[in-house]
Amino acid sequence: DQQVKQNSPSLSVQEGRISILNCDYTNSMFDYFLWYKKYPAEGPTFLISISSIKDKNEDGRFTVFLNKSAKHLSLHIVPSQPGDSAVYFCAASRGDGNKLVFGAGTILRVKS
Amino acid sequence: GAGVSQSPRYKVAKRGQDVALRCDPISGHVSLFWYQQALGQGPEFLTYFQNEAQLDKSGLPSDRFFAERPEGSVSTLKIQRTQQEDSAVYLCASSFGQGYADTQYFGPGTRLTVL
Repeated sequence: DQQVKQNSPSLSVQEGRISILNCDYTNSMFDYFLWYKKYPAEGPTFLISISSIKDKNEDGRFTVFLNKSAKHLSLHIVPSQPGDSAVYFCAASRGDGNKLVFGAGTILRVKS
Repeated sequence: GAGVSQSPRYKVAKRGQDVALRCDPISGHVSLFWYQQALGQGPEFLTYFQNEAQLDKSGLPSDRFFAERPEGSVSTLKIQRTQQEDSAVYLCASSFGQGYADTQYFGPGTRLTVL
């Protein structure tokens, strides 16, 4: 059973515009959420996180929004840059554990 | 400082061979994780160490998979009698603390191909 789902396998955005990546989860025990970015032949790199007590967290061009009632989170990248082209993974963890549960990833392509 | 390193970066094994994958975490990091990433999927948890203690091995797919971290630093993931379905990228991650909110830093992974 997929507890973390990223339903869009890919997304293409023009440079300078907003990129919105979405993620849904099913396990209500999750209380910490993260986004990782991955380039080919490299490991995932931490991007931004949010605790379930918040509904928004911002870091520069990156903002994560959490809607607990809908069990949905999204990552906004504004403005998008060609260097943002990568695979983005949504991940979640529970307060009583340390392991991360990942979605399948979304390939973001930013066109210049 | 140096990030998480893994070796080898690529490994080709014949079905039935044993393999050993190494992970060097960031110095001083208490927690170490192994994940398996199949093609087109996200990483899936295998096992977790806090120092030398293996606290969670619930993700290991079978008893052919074994992990150790004897001195609380370097870790080895061993797969015995490899099978084709073991083909995947094996990722190691470490974090400074023990908390669930501690950022996990990933290595580049070892791509295992079983023929």
